[in-house]
Amino acid sequence: AQTVTQSQPEMSVQEAETVTLSCTYDTSESDYYLFWYKQPPSRQMILVIRQEAYKQQNATENRFSVNFQKAAKSFSLKISDSQLGDAAMYFCAYRRRGNKLVFGAGTILRVKS
Amino acid sequence: DGGITQSPKYLFRKEGQNVTLSCEQNLNHDAMYWYRQDPGQGLRLIYYSQIVNDFQKGDIAEGYSVSREKKESFPLTVTSAQKNPTAFYLCASSDQGSYNEQFFGPGTRLTVL
Repeated sequence: AQTVTQSQPEMSVQEAETVTLSCTYDTSESDYYLFWYKQPPSRQMILVIRQEAYKQQNATENRFSVNFQKAAKSFSLKISDSQLGDAAMYFCAYRRRGNKLVFGAGTILRVKS
Repeated sequence: DGGITQSPKYLFRKEGQNVTLSCEQNLNHDAMYWYRQDPGQGLRLIYYSQIVNDFQKGDIAEGYSVSREKKESFPLTVTSAQKNPTAFYLCASSDQGSYNEQFFGPGTRLTVL
């Protein structure tokens, strides 16, 4: 069974600085998708970024980028130029067959002004 | 505006009562999902449906039931058999394309007294 592990329950970053959130996963599949979701205090889940496993190039969306290491089964999220609005719970997720998502336990990100 | 609605936002019920959570989408998506969120555990899949009149159990289906009579609606019933029903419940939907990102509703907080 696929599992997703986020080893950092909480992280803090100073406004305008860079922070990296860690995620590792376990799977025997070769083709899959990985996602980072953001859940602000409103609790609305928002897709931040996705990565297709067959693509070697790391995905980037504005200030958000990933470091995808397929052999190591690692999928970290880097947030550059952190803003107060980035404060939220961040979930790493793996998409298994049938479009079912497996989520990690989440990392709370606090942004200090 | 296209989106997913869940109602009510907050729900209180007495122990032993069944309760039904509503989920409606106007995105014309074929697939719909129900997740449960508990503190420190991320989201876990309860049930999912890939087409009208068909649904499958997820990882934690015991004590829950669903129906999918219409494409746009996927109600979840929390029965008295669910031992610990107090949680935050999220509904999602996706189309059946190769990427098929899941879009989430705003959630319902269920408290059983």
